Amino acid sequence: QVQLQESGPGLVKPSQTLSLTCTVSGGSISSGGYYWSWIRQHPGKGLEWIGYIYYSGSTYYNPSLKSRVTISVDTSKNQFSMKLSSVTAADTAVYYCARGVTGYTDYWGQGTLVTVSS
Amino acid sequence: EIVLTQSPATLSLSPGERATLSCRASQSVSSYLAWYQQKPGQAPRLLIYDASNKATGIPARFSGSGSGTDFTLTISSLEPEDFAVYYCQQRSNWPPMYTFGQGTKLEIK
Repeated sequence: QVQLQESGPGLVKPSQTLSLTCTVSGGSISSGGYYWSWIRQHPGKGLEWIGYIYYSGSTYYNPSLKSRVTISVDTSKNQFSMKLSSVTAADTAVYYCARGVTGYTDYWGQGTLVTVSS
Repeated sequence: EIVLTQSPATLSLSPGERATLSCRASQSVSSYLAWYQQKPGQAPRLLIYDASNKATGIPARFSGSGSGTDFTLTISSLEPEDFAVYYCQQRSNWPPMYTFGQGTKLEIK
């Protein structure tokens, strides 16, 4: 059974960089065919896909966040990470990591709330 | 970029009734359409993938249908635990990104 767990600070100051890590267990992050994704949900709102890193290392980001987001992978630790720069209060959200396949996302982390505030 | 529009925004029904939720895409997504259920404080749970395939452990009362631009999630007879928010999602070939619908809240009448 694949499990994902987000970790990182729950509070980030405006203009700083939000950094989160997702630890994958029960399967190798290097396994072919998966899109290791970050998704967020603003309080009381819907889901917003942030981006993914494919098992090959290629990345794709939501155009609305592309200039501020970077996703990377550390296969030695079976982890992938996200950095979102120049955050504002509008980036306050629950952030989920998830495993995607061609047309859907099958495993999700429990989510972590990140608040942007001074 | 493909936009997914879900309707209705809110659906008020009673246990035992049939629920029909709609998801319309701004352009064809073939059959790469998934449905998720989300309860308060929980991560979304995959219900249906590739428009009509049930994910592991999903009860038989859930079914998905459709292709192209129009998709439907049907819950044949609502159980109390089915009242939640439902999202549809697609992944386009180009740009190669996922998008979600805005959600349908299924509430107890």
